[in-house]
Amino acid sequence: AQSVTQPDIHITVSEGASLELRCNYSYGATPYLFWYVQSPGQGLQLLLKYFSGDTLVQGIKGFEAEFKRSQSSFNLRKPSVHWSDAAEYFCAVGGIRGGGKLIFGQGTELSVKP
Amino acid sequence: GAGVSQSPSNKVTEKGKDVELRCDPISGHTALYWYRQSLGQGLEFLIYFQGNSAPDKSGLPSDRFSAERTGGSVSTLTIQRTQQEDSAVYLCASSLTGSYTEAFFGQGTRLTVV
Repeated sequence: AQSVTQPDIHITVSEGASLELRCNYSYGATPYLFWYVQSPGQGLQLLLKYFSGDTLVQGIKGFEAEFKRSQSSFNLRKPSVHWSDAAEYFCAVGGIRGGGKLIFGQGTELSVKP
Repeated sequence: GAGVSQSPSNKVTEKGKDVELRCDPISGHTALYWYRQSLGQGLEFLIYFQGNSAPDKSGLPSDRFSAERTGGSVSTLTIQRTQQEDSAVYLCASSLTGSYTEAFFGQGTRLTVV
């Protein structure tokens, strides 16, 4: 069955420090991979997506992610975190059986220290 | 419309009552999805519509849950005989055509069953 694992439930980083959020997936075929961000009381906003091609994808707000098939990973990175990045981040896999359904990880809550 | 609109934003209901949650997708989006977000369960897929038909309803947790979509637009998620474990945020998303396109999420409906 398809699944997504985000090993870190909560991460705290200092403002200006680099960030890496981990995501591992389990899916038999070529996955479509997504990172979404959810600020308190808000819906989910797409940060970036991978469908095919270049394995390093750029997203909004200075985020990037790298697809590594050999490790079944799609980690999210940002070189310098801003206080406004504090939110919950969700990794998801889609394209299952050709449909638009997304399977989400449990989420990683990011706190930013001043 | 400009974005996915969900109503009501908050709903408190008594155990055993029926509730209806509404989703108004982005105009022209043929695909519509319902998800449920609850503590301990993360984000769970409920049902996927393509046009007015639902090719994937595998996530509906019981026969108390049903959904319909009319005119290829507005969708209603109905929960009959609500239980306390139904308390959650119900999120709706739409996308232009399905798996190859980005899903845009609404703000959600927070359902509390007392």
